Amino acid sequence: GNSVTQMEGPVTLSEEAFLTINCTYTATGYPSLFWYVQYPGEGLQLLLKATKADDKGSNKGFEATYRKETTSFHLEKGSVQVSDSAVYFCALTAAGNKLTFGGGTRVLVKP
Amino acid sequence: EAQVTQNPRYLITVTGKKLTVTCSQNMNHEYMSWYRQDPGLGLRQIYYSMNVEVTDKGDVPEGYKVSRKEKRNFPLILESPSPNQTSLYFCASSPWTGVGNEQFFGPGTRLTVL
Repeated sequence: GNSVTQMEGPVTLSEEAFLTINCTYTATGYPSLFWYVQYPGEGLQLLLKATKADDKGSNKGFEATYRKETTSFHLEKGSVQVSDSAVYFCALTAAGNKLTFGGGTRVLVKP
Repeated sequence: EAQVTQNPRYLITVTGKKLTVTCSQNMNHEYMSWYRQDPGLGLRQIYYSMNVEVTDKGDVPEGYKVSRKEKRNFPLILESPSPNQTSLYFCASSPWTGVGNEQFFGPGTRLTVL
């Protein structure tokens, strides 16, 4: 079956530091890849997505590139802010709308 | 405002007492789904619905029921809750089925079963 593996947290950073969250996947066919973000006390919001190999998704300074050869979709941001503190989920859909999620990575940015 | 709403947001109950968590979306979406979120496991799909009167099991359907009588509503029913159903539940909707579509999530319902 399909699966998503992402680095465990928590990840603690200082403001303006570089953030990377690793995500790798296993899927049949040609999945679409997503990063969702969950701010404290809220539901999940789509952060960015990529639907085919070599696509780069970007939003709010975050980027992730769909790497089929390494089955990866790592999330990066060059300079984090306190407001980026949240839980980040890597996910995929490979057939229909069913989302398969990774375990989530909590990020804490300190001033 | 386009949104997915869930009620209640917080619920504490006892083993065996039937409960319903409501979910409603105002975006005329065809696809709706329920997930549960547990630490370290991410979100796992419980049930989904591709349209009115069409529902199907997800990865963890045991102990849950759903119905889709109207397009906008997709309630989650726990006929006889047990402590292992203590979790954070999310309802989500999407305009249509297919790979690559964004899903819109509700704010979550935190359920505790004693």
